[in-house]
Amino acid sequence: GIQVEQSPPDLILQEGANSTLRCNFSDSVNNLQWFHQNPWGQLINLFYIPSGTKQNGRLSATTVATERYSLLYISSSQTTDSGVYFCAVGLGNTPLVFGKGTRLSVIA
Amino acid sequence: EPEVTQTPSHQVTQMGQEVILRCVPISNHLYFYWYRQILGQKVEFLVSFYNNEISEKSEIFDDQFSVERPDGSNFTLKIRSTKLEDSAMYFCASEPAFENKQFFGPGTRLTVL
Repeated sequence: GIQVEQSPPDLILQEGANSTLRCNFSDSVNNLQWFHQNPWGQLINLFYIPSGTKQNGRLSATTVATERYSLLYISSSQTTDSGVYFCAVGLGNTPLVFGKGTRLSVIA
Repeated sequence: EPEVTQTPSHQVTQMGQEVILRCVPISNHLYFYWYRQILGQKVEFLVSFYNNEISEKSEIFDDQFSVERPDGSNFTLKIRSTKLEDSAMYFCASEPAFENKQFFGPGTRLTVL
């Protein structure tokens, strides 16, 4: 099956700093989603991005499907950005395969 | 924007008891999924459901688990005899026919004592 690797596993940032989270996957996919898991455990969908680049406020994401990776950029980080970020991939109408996540801690 | 809803948000049960976790998917979606996340670990697939039957299931989804779509809106996951290791967050997701994106509910935190 598809393998998903996320890096780094842990990241500590000073408030206001920028960061890049990476997701590598082992096979062709047509679904890639980035999630933020909040302190209550909810998975908040950030991006649906099987290819290309999208931006939403301070967050942006790029997926290079031909090279099997995706990047999530967080600019001007805030303490509320803390939590675990998951990348999940799949093919249409099939289960998503999740990575192990990147745990981000933003310190004031 | 339509959302996937799940009830209850938190359930505490005794080992050996049956639990039913409920989900209301987005109304025009056709594909439905249950996922599980043990505390501190990654999210794992349990089962997918399409056209009123299971389309795929993982090794985790053994005979203790079952899924149903009892009416046009609800989608349930039943655990017949809970074990301590069933303690986890359970997520329901639904997917429309025209887009590959999955929409996740807020989850049910199950604690088995």
